[in-house]
Amino acid sequence: NAGVTQTPKFQVLKTGQSMTLQCAQDMNHEYMSWYRQDPGMGLRLIHYSVGAGITDQGEVPNGYNVSRSTTEDFPLRLLSAAPSQTSVYFCASTNSGGKTGNTIYFGEGSWLTVV
Amino acid sequence: GNSVTQMEGPVTLSEEAFLTINCTYTATGYPSLFWYVQYPGEGLQLLLKATKADDKGSNKGFEATYRKETTSFHLEKGSVQVSDSAVYFCALLGSGSRLTFGEGTQLTVNP
Repeated sequence: NAGVTQTPKFQVLKTGQSMTLQCAQDMNHEYMSWYRQDPGMGLRLIHYSVGAGITDQGEVPNGYNVSRSTTEDFPLRLLSAAPSQTSVYFCASTNSGGKTGNTIYFGEGSWLTVV
Repeated sequence: GNSVTQMEGPVTLSEEAFLTINCTYTATGYPSLFWYVQYPGEGLQLLLKATKADDKGSNKGFEATYRKETTSFHLEKGSVQVSDSAVYFCALLGSGSRLTFGEGTQLTVNP
């Protein structure tokens, strides 16, 4: 009963380094998304995917790349880390297309610090 | 676009006090509405949801009613406990599975 699994939970990066946050779900959900959480700003959508091979930008996509080669996995790549990307990152999945009655499930979060 | 406005925090209450956290929204169509809770150092947990007007979501003593006429989804609990101390997020699920969050409200309950 894994749900949404995110790794790593904690990471410290140096400015300019690249890294990938992994996200996997075992619920066969079509929709997956990445959010970042910053103090006083709630959660903001970075990128999302409506199915394998399809991705789109959210509210704050700059500095991040995503791909969706399988239904299960939706990795988030930081191309050249900057201190402004210090944040908590959440992956989410849902089988909803915006229909009522469905719920978004979140991973446990990844705490990223860029120094 | 969609938006969620949440009561600003932090909110500090004594144990057994009544809690209300206000949430209003702007959206097209008929969104689903959610309250999520985040305990210190943890991820988000779904607290309750409502999918259509006049629905009442409830869980662990918390309640919220989907009010389309006032575009609101206020969270209430009759008697809070110390263990309810957390950050609470109101959220709206619109088209394309995009969740829009409020800014979060920090609740601290003192014994």
